[in-house]
Amino acid sequence: KAGVTQTPRYLIKTRGQQVTLSCSPISGHRSVSWYQQTPGQGLQFLFEYFSETQRNKGNFPGRFSGRQFSNSRSEMNVSTLELGDSALYLCASSDRGVNTEAFFGQGTRLTVV
Amino acid sequence: GNSVTQMEGPVTLSEEAFLTINCTYTATGYPSLFWYVQYPGEGLQLLLKATKADDKGSNKGFEATYRKETTSFHLEKGSVQVSDSAVYFCAHMYSSASKIIFGSGTRLSIRP
Repeated sequence: KAGVTQTPRYLIKTRGQQVTLSCSPISGHRSVSWYQQTPGQGLQFLFEYFSETQRNKGNFPGRFSGRQFSNSRSEMNVSTLELGDSALYLCASSDRGVNTEAFFGQGTRLTVV
Repeated sequence: GNSVTQMEGPVTLSEEAFLTINCTYTATGYPSLFWYVQYPGEGLQLLLKATKADDKGSNKGFEATYRKETTSFHLEKGSVQVSDSAVYFCAHMYSSASKIIFGSGTRLSIRP
């Protein structure tokens, strides 16, 4: 069974630009969650999508948005990038409610310069 | 609110030493509890989990018991190896929410 796939693995962007990250969950999983990992703030929940609908949202500004497609793949978008957005962005997939286990991808390392 | 507190690192041990990483949580109801491990440059891997009080999760020699009375989920291993060097995260999640609350992580280094 293929794991969670995140693309790209690494990104370098300039302040003010926007970026889109992609996550393909494990086959059969309909829940995709996104997390931001930084040395200062640790792992913080961004949002969760289930059946193409946002179900939960963390405490992040509106510059952070996401969506989910009918095949459960999810994208996360960050607009007007700031230096503080530099982080490892992790995606997790689960079958929500059936099994509480979440599986993580290897992450996308975003550097904003 | 819901939170997870784990012991500060870094923790440095010699190979074959006994390991304990403390973890306590605050939550309403009965979340599932997890330990995740992160190796350098990698994402998170689930190490073990427990879904109800008194459950013991175990994997690769690591163990943790869901203690509702002390709201704890301490990670233990009887004899660590150099390959166990990584960052360990304690976490909890409600099945209805799929939102994981993580502790701050504990960096573990094992000396040969």
